[in-house]
Amino acid sequence: KNQVEQSPQSLIILEGKNCTLQCNYTVSPFSNLRWYKQDTGRGPVSLTIMTFSENTKSNGRYTATLDADTKQSSLHITASQLSDSASYICVVSEISGGYNKLIFGAGTRLAVHP
Amino acid sequence: ETGVTQTPRHLVMGMTNKKSLKCEQHLGHNAMYWYKQSAKKPLELMFVYSLEERVENNSVPSRFSPECPNSSHLFLHLHTLQPEDSALYLCASSQDGARGTQYFGPGTRLLVL
Repeated sequence: KNQVEQSPQSLIILEGKNCTLQCNYTVSPFSNLRWYKQDTGRGPVSLTIMTFSENTKSNGRYTATLDADTKQSSLHITASQLSDSASYICVVSEISGGYNKLIFGAGTRLAVHP
Repeated sequence: ETGVTQTPRHLVMGMTNKKSLKCEQHLGHNAMYWYKQSAKKPLELMFVYSLEERVENNSVPSRFSPECPNSSHLFLHLHTLQPEDSALYLCASSQDGARGTQYFGPGTRLLVL
């Protein structure tokens, strides 16, 4: 069972609308949590990174929240644009040996329609 | 551009072929990674090199052979692959002995016939 679960698997919204993507994780010990955006045919690009002591982090129209007690995170996108169409991947860092081992969710595929 | 380049971007090969994927990072990082991304599945970590030493090998079949000649270059040598190996292969790099944010390349889309 994957230690990082994302919902929904896919989402369609109209341009200008807001949306929220969810991420639940069971990774322990936990170092930090990242949200990545992956455009079709491209590699993932980091949007936000939060340690366990941070509750929220913003990057433009993207706002990520983290509840380390319930092991839940969300990514809120405001005033969506067509260019937001992509897969959004929740990634949790597990402390493993001398490096951060990343545990990836399967992603939420977002489509923004005009 | 993230500063991580991969070649080729697309590759079609038969099961008896031998090919190599190349990754180069221009960020001065000291850790590099190979990931496999199959459709609708999470990214799977294959190999990690930190300071040019392999520190992780996630039970990857021997038909995949990594090589890290220096901190800027990473190769993935492929031989006698199977159709189920068809996927997007992503390279990434990070700083601080792999504790920092990973920067991904655009990937190589591999199709094994």
